[in-house]
Amino acid sequence: AQRVTQPEKLLSVFKGAPVELKCNYSYSGSPELFWYVQYSRQRLQLLLRHISRESIKGFTADLNKGETSFHLKKPFAQEEDSAMYYCALRGYNQGGKLIFGQGTELSVKP
Amino acid sequence: NAGVTQTPKFQVLKTGQSMTLQCAQDMNHEYMSWYRQDPGMGLRLIHYSVGAGITDQGEVPNGYNVSRSTTEDFPLRLLSAAPSQTSVYFCASSSSSRETEAFFGQGTRLTVV
Repeated sequence: AQRVTQPEKLLSVFKGAPVELKCNYSYSGSPELFWYVQYSRQRLQLLLRHISRESIKGFTADLNKGETSFHLKKPFAQEEDSAMYYCALRGYNQGGKLIFGQGTELSVKP
Repeated sequence: NAGVTQTPKFQVLKTGQSMTLQCAQDMNHEYMSWYRQDPGMGLRLIHYSVGAGITDQGEVPNGYNVSRSTTEDFPLRLLSAAPSQTSVYFCASSSSSRETEAFFGQGTRLTVV
């Protein structure tokens, strides 16, 4: 079965602290993995995709196929990073269907 | 660029009423989907479409109908609203390219009383 698990509902850190939002997935083939972010009162938007291996707003995510994980990391959190973060999976040839995790609310305190 | 547009933004329905949530995209995307967002459950797929005239069920399709008569539009119909359908609904579209990004509408907050 295809599944995405984000074990933390809420992650609260102080400004400047490192952040790691966990994401584990279950998929039998080679999935496409994404992180989407939803800032307050805004629509979901793409933050990262695993194939790009890019850093956006200081965030990085590495796909670990052995541990089936795609954790999101940032070395120094900023207050503007406070948002809801969703890890998502799309299977090969799945017609645009995304499977989302439960979401992690990140709160960065001053 | 309009992107993905959803209407209405807010709606209150009485139990048993029907309504249609509208979704339109202007990016000529083949794929369109409807999700509902509930606290602690993330986004769950209701229905999706890979092109005009083709639709399929997602994880939570009961109580909802869709159709895709054009590439641009993908309306979601609630046949007989129930309080369990109180949620925030998101429409999304994407191209058929691998690793493509999904673009989301701003959401419709629906309350069924």
